[in-house]
Amino acid sequence: GAVVSQHPSRVICKSGTSVKIECRSLDFQATTMFWYRQFPKQSLMLMATSNEGSKATYEQGVEKDKFLINHASLTLSTLTVTSAHPEDSSFYICSARDQVYGYTFGSGTRLTVV
Amino acid sequence: AQSVTQLGSHVSVSEGALVLLRCNYSSSVPPYLFWYVQYPNQGLQLLLKYTTGATLVKGINGFEAEFKKSETSFHLTKPSAHMSDAAEYFCAVTKDKMVQGAQKLVFGQGTRLTINP
Repeated sequence: GAVVSQHPSRVICKSGTSVKIECRSLDFQATTMFWYRQFPKQSLMLMATSNEGSKATYEQGVEKDKFLINHASLTLSTLTVTSAHPEDSSFYICSARDQVYGYTFGSGTRLTVV
Repeated sequence: AQSVTQLGSHVSVSEGALVLLRCNYSSSVPPYLFWYVQYPNQGLQLLLKYTTGATLVKGINGFEAEFKKSETSFHLTKPSAHMSDAAEYFCAVTKDKMVQGAQKLVFGQGTRLTINP
């Protein structure tokens, strides 16, 4: 089956620094990748959608300058949280979609900003 | 616009008892429907999905769900709960036809399933 690798699984960073999260589709090419944020005991909130080689489409209320998304290839998308602050602490999950497997999720990244 | 409502944010059953997690959807077009399971600090794992065809869908770990268009429902069931079923469950909907461009998954609020020994 399809596998999406997301790294790191956990990261702690200091306030004001930037953090990059990687999402890779290991055995398929993802036409579209999605980035979600999940608060404790809540559902997934879609942050943005990215297609390879084009700019990401951000959901309303998501700051595109804070959450930089790069989808340079059909197997790799990155989310960079710039100038992180404690309120950015959350669980971030990526998902990759293709015609065969549908939606496949990464294992998530727990970001803690101190 | 599409939406999903999961009735009951928390469901508790005894080990060996029937599991029933409710999901109702709203969609202006024929939907694709999904159930996902999430264990603590992990991503989502697909349990089952309905696209077209048979309305009773069987998934992994003994779960199944039935698409009922007249009731706009896609409830998840399992005849006999196991301790390892304790997790968060999400119902999701998207438009049918995986056409070009992004088809977003719309998630329900989630249901936390607790299994009592």
